[in-house]
Formats: sequence, structure tokens, C-alpha cells
Amino acid sequence: DTGVSQNPRHKITKRGQNVTFRCDPISEHNRLYWYRQTLGQGPEFLTYFQNEAQLEKSRLLSDRFSAERPKGSFSTLEIQRTEQGDSAMYLCASSLAGTSGNTIYFGEGSWLTVV
Amino acid sequence: KQEVTQIPAALSVPEGENLVLNCSFTDSAIYNLQWFRQDPGKGLTSLLLIQSSQREQTSGRLNASLDKSSGRSTLYIAASQPGDSATYLCAVAGGGSNYKLTFGKGTLLTVNP
Repeated sequence: DTGVSQNPRHKITKRGQNVTFRCDPISEHNRLYWYRQTLGQGPEFLTYFQNEAQLEKSRLLSDRFSAERPKGSFSTLEIQRTEQGDSAMYLCASSLAGTSGNTIYFGEGSWLTVV
Repeated sequence: KQEVTQIPAALSVPEGENLVLNCSFTDSAIYNLQWFRQDPGKGLTSLLLIQSSQREQTSGRLNASLDKSSGRSTLYIAASQPGDSATYLCAVAGGGSNYKLTFGKGTLLTVNP
């Protein structure tokens, strides 16, 4: 069990560019989540996958954001035409449906700075 | 809409002290409550999960309690150590789902040697 893995860990990009983050969940976990965290705040829910199906998207996820989990394993989060307000840490998490309590495990996060 | 509040926002204690962190939530219809630890610039580490039917959970020097009816949880840390210094976040799963977490802003704990 290597935990939830995210890359890149840090990304600096110019406004208007596209960026993509990758998440590899804990291997047997069928649920995958993306959260966003800004300085001094708790993480905010963005989206949720069960296997390859995206079952919920937050209103925070504008049409510039798209997330996929094509084979029910790793996931990508793409941000198009980045804006300075997108600067944040993007956290991926996973869990196993049906387990007691649904403990959610987070990765180390991917920091995005838009300049 | 669920709101989670953590008090205090920051806490500084000398090494060896026992301490309590507080978390309150507005909607008592929750599935579970999780406490996390976050080191600066890092991701979240799960500490304890309390299901809605439970009153408390313990792991080592940590004890978390849940009073769902009053919308409160506490995280008790015994014999604090400098390595406990971090931000502690409380999160509740509810609103019809057991997977979507609503977080508080956290309590920044500093344990001084």
C-alpha cells in the first residue's frame, strides 16, 4: 500500500495556460475524490468518482475544469485557461466503498500557482 | 448547508500538556466525522473516524468524541509532544452522502519544547 500519489507536486503556470494533474489512488479503492484548498481554509469538495463514473460535481467546478477516471484507476484533473483565482492546492483522495465508516485517505496534494 | 467551525483557530502549549480541540457542526444529520492532521504544505493524514452511531474513538494518545445531537466533537491529545505541532482539521460527511466531506478551517497547534 503506497498511499494516494499525486503529480506534479508543484506547478507554476502563466494565466491562460492549461494544466493537468494526475492522481493514483490506493490500489483497491473504488472511490476517488478531488478537493481544493486555499491558504487558511479547509479543503472544499470538487468531484467524486465511483469506479469510472463521475457521480457528483460541485458548483465550484466551473466549465474550465474537467476530471476523468477512464479505467476506474488513476484520475486526471485538467484546468483550462487558468486564472489567478485557480491558485490553490488540489488534493486527491480515495476510499473503499462498503468499508466501515468510509475512511478517506488523502494524497500530498498538487500546488498550483498561476502568475 | 452544513457548516463546520473549529475553535480555537490557534493554540500554543508547552510540551507534556493535555489539550482539547473543538469542532462544531450545524446539521446533525451526519454519517461520520473524521479528524485529520495536516503538516505545512502537505496533504492530510487521517487520525480518527467516528461513525454517527459511535460516541468516541481512541488511537494512542488521541481520543475523539462525538455528540451528534448537540453538533459537537472534541479531539483530546494527551501528553503533547513537539511532533504533534500541525494543523488539525475536522470534517463531517453528511447531506445525504457518506463520501462528501465538509471541513472546518482547522486549529493550528504548536507544542513548545
